[in-house]
Amino acid sequence: DTAVSQTPKYLVTQMGNDKSIKCEQNLGHDTMYWYKQDSKKFLKIMFSYNNKELIINETVPNRFSPKSPDKAHLNLHINSLELGDSAVYFCASSPSGGYTEAFFGQGTRLTVV
Amino acid sequence: KNEVEQSPQNLTAQEGEFITINCSYSVGISALHWLQQHPGGGIVSLFMLSSGKKKHGRLIATINIQEKHSSLHITASHPRDSAVYICAAFTSGTYKYIFGTGTRLKVLA
Repeated sequence: DTAVSQTPKYLVTQMGNDKSIKCEQNLGHDTMYWYKQDSKKFLKIMFSYNNKELIINETVPNRFSPKSPDKAHLNLHINSLELGDSAVYFCASSPSGGYTEAFFGQGTRLTVV
Repeated sequence: KNEVEQSPQNLTAQEGEFITINCSYSVGISALHWLQQHPGGGIVSLFMLSSGKKKHGRLIATINIQEKHSSLHITASHPRDSAVYICAAFTSGTYKYIFGTGTRLKVLA
């Protein structure tokens, strides 16, 4: 069973489109995250949710809107996609906000053309 | 300057060598994580440390809270250890990881 699963794994889309990336964890964790890995392979946090509540929004453009319908899901919706949004997006979860190991999804490679 | 710095950025070793990757941080942390990113892109959590030392197989991680420094050691390195190793500081009082820039390790047979 996959602990943290993201879909899709690859996403190619045109500029201006709206797209969503889904993330689900079956570990019973309270905290979920979205990270962006840029072309230089540098990981940076975008959002953190704890018990469905937004905890961190790291100066991410308003075009990015996370949605957490329940503790097990944290989806990322992106409006009006731009070329600079091309990156790998990772979802992760942890039991209590970082005091134990985090589990990562396999990543979604988004390419905006 | 990043709040979490790793060194070296790139490392090539011969199979069997002892490897050390260093991580220094300038923020207050609750815990420090070591992650491994495989060539295929997947990320695996290796260790979570808040003090002392942890060992898992050929991997050893240490942390010195006073010096704000952590090291990841790999004993008897093997080509399958080739990956990017990333340290991540979980900052005190927040739900936020700050990542180092990663160390790209290549172990040659």
